Amino acid sequence: EVQLVQSGAEVKKPGESLRISCRASGYDFTTHWITWVRQMPGKGLEWMGKVNPSDSYSSYSPSLQGHITISVDKSINTAYLQWSSLKVSDTAVYYCARWVRGSLFDYWGQGTQATVSS
Amino acid sequence: QSALTQPASVSGSPGQSITISCTGSSSDVGGFNFVSWYQQHPGTAPKAIIFEDDRRPSGISTRFSASKSGNTAYLTISGLQAEDEADYICCSYAGSRVLVFGGGTKLTVL
Repeated sequence: EVQLVQSGAEVKKPGESLRISCRASGYDFTTHWITWVRQMPGKGLEWMGKVNPSDSYSSYSPSLQGHITISVDKSINTAYLQWSSLKVSDTAVYYCARWVRGSLFDYWGQGTQATVSS
Repeated sequence: QSALTQPASVSGSPGQSITISCTGSSSDVGGFNFVSWYQQHPGTAPKAIIFEDDRRPSGISTRFSASKSGNTAYLTISGLQAEDEADYICCSYAGSRVLVFGGGTKLTVL
């Protein structure tokens, strides 16, 4: 059974760093890109970027390029989303999902709530 | 990349049909056959119900159908049921390995 299990909720202050994780199981991790999607409070979904677990190549939403880093550790079937300096506006639920092709994501993590507040 | 445009809300009575639109541009919706639709119930992760403009993943009810005309994609839900009450979000490939979501439409089953 394919599963994506994300790390738990986080509470941080502006300017702090954060890394959240997404551990995959039930399939060959290197065969599908992992994408990250955020959902700000009361808002819709926003595509953030994706990473190829096979070679660690990543691509980002132009609006978030430079603010986030998406990476993988294929030895432990885990993808990461990280920030070096958080903003209050980074408060959101973050989902990882397995990208199939085009705009199809077939399996999703359970979501990670990140709250950034002074 | 601007978000795709969806109506904020739609409603319908059980048994009726509703259609939700998703408008983009020739750079995304109209430029590729890669529009997907996702259903999201409160507090849960999204679930794919349509991909590649009009295809249903295995296990998705035939009450869900989709089409596209130019830069606008459409999701139709027929025979509305109470369980269909959820948010519906479109997503399109936008070239250069970039994807874009719509703002989401809240469906209320009256």
